[in-house]
Amino acid sequence: EPEVTQTPSHQVTQMGQEVILRCVPISNHLYFYWYRQILGQKVEFLVSFYNNEISEKSEIFDDQFSVERPDGSNFTLKIRSTKLEDSAMYFCASSEEYQGQPQHFGDGTRLSIL
Amino acid sequence: SQKIEQNSEALNIQEGKTATLTCNYTNYSPAYLQWYRQDPGRGPVFLLLIRENEKEKRKERLKVTFDTTLKQSLFHITASQPADSATYLCALGGVTGGGNKLTFGTGTQLKVEL
Repeated sequence: EPEVTQTPSHQVTQMGQEVILRCVPISNHLYFYWYRQILGQKVEFLVSFYNNEISEKSEIFDDQFSVERPDGSNFTLKIRSTKLEDSAMYFCASSEEYQGQPQHFGDGTRLSIL
Repeated sequence: SQKIEQNSEALNIQEGKTATLTCNYTNYSPAYLQWYRQDPGRGPVFLLLIRENEKEKRKERLKVTFDTTLKQSLFHITASQPADSATYLCALGGVTGGGNKLTFGTGTQLKVEL
């Protein structure tokens, strides 16, 4: 069964450094998402992306965050200047259509900020 | 204020019994609701999606109901097995003004004992 893949599985970064998290969504999916989950807390929406532009973003997704689809297969999340509170699991998801279709998640990148 | 509440306590049941998990929400009007399974250190795995005009959905040993009047969804696992032990997440989608983002509950931890 097709799956969403994320790399790296674990990223350790010094505070203030830039980090890029990478995702390969399911190949025929058109909509892409990033969520995060702080340890012991619920999964939170960050951003959705369609047709090479952001379709929706949450309050968490401030100017430090950006997303990009640099080629036909990858989808990336960049955090420009990481803070301690950015430590979390970051999940990428994709879906076939915009409304009312299942979102399929990758296994996440654990981001640890020191 | 908006809330999504799932069984706050962990649910322990005996193998072979039916597990019933609840998801209650307030001040949301979701167009659909999704249930996911999450194992420790892994991403959410999609299980079932039910739309606001559907009362019940089934897939193998899984059944979900959706009552928009009570603002509640119930998730049932029949003939439960130890392999069903995991955290189960409900997520609301298509909320008014919310696009396609999923808003997750905190999850219910299910443990199926021999």
